[in-house]
Amino acid sequence: KAGVTQTPRYLIKTRGQQVTLSCSPISGHRSVSWYQQTPGQGLQFLFEYFSETQRNKGNFPGRFSGRQFSNSRSEMNVSTLELGDSALYLCASSLNGRGQGSYTFGSGTRLTVV
Amino acid sequence: GIQVEQSPPDLILQEGANSTLRCNFSDSVNNLQWFHQNPWGQLINLFYIPSGTKQNGRLSATTVATERYSLLYISSSQTTDSGVYFCAVAPYNNDMRFGAGTRLTVKP
Repeated sequence: KAGVTQTPRYLIKTRGQQVTLSCSPISGHRSVSWYQQTPGQGLQFLFEYFSETQRNKGNFPGRFSGRQFSNSRSEMNVSTLELGDSALYLCASSLNGRGQGSYTFGSGTRLTVV
Repeated sequence: GIQVEQSPPDLILQEGANSTLRCNFSDSVNNLQWFHQNPWGQLINLFYIPSGTKQNGRLSATTVATERYSLLYISSSQTTDSGVYFCAVAPYNNDMRFGAGTRLTVKP
């Protein structure tokens, strides 16, 4: 079966702009979790979506938001970009989320803010 | 929140050597996974192992949930094993949280 697809792979944006990243989970998986990876902070949990509802959110400002569609595809949006938002953004697909079962990650979107 | 500590932070080996990576966690978990991050950033799932022992080729893992630790064993290491190894855990009904990783370098 197809894996987890994240688009785009690379993105360069200017400070103050906004950006939208996409994640298509494995077919049949209903949970999508998002993570931010930076050299200084490591892998940090952003939020988790299940059946179009955000169930859990990490400690990030309101500029970070997301949504999930009826086909389980998820998008995350970052508004008013700051230099510190430069990071690798990873999404994970799982059947039911909330730490249950195996998580499978996409290849990530590498965002550079200049 | 739950604390996840991985050791050692860095490990340099000669090709063919064996190694053990450790993951300690501060609370009960119902999920534990080991990942290998390749040079392009993708997290490759090695083991889903909330308890017990599993083996996959040269890799094996053991989780002792009651003592809150997990071990990843790599035998006869190869240069392609280089990269960062992450342990991720999830307390009951909560999302996965990651350790800081162990950076493994295998020299030819």
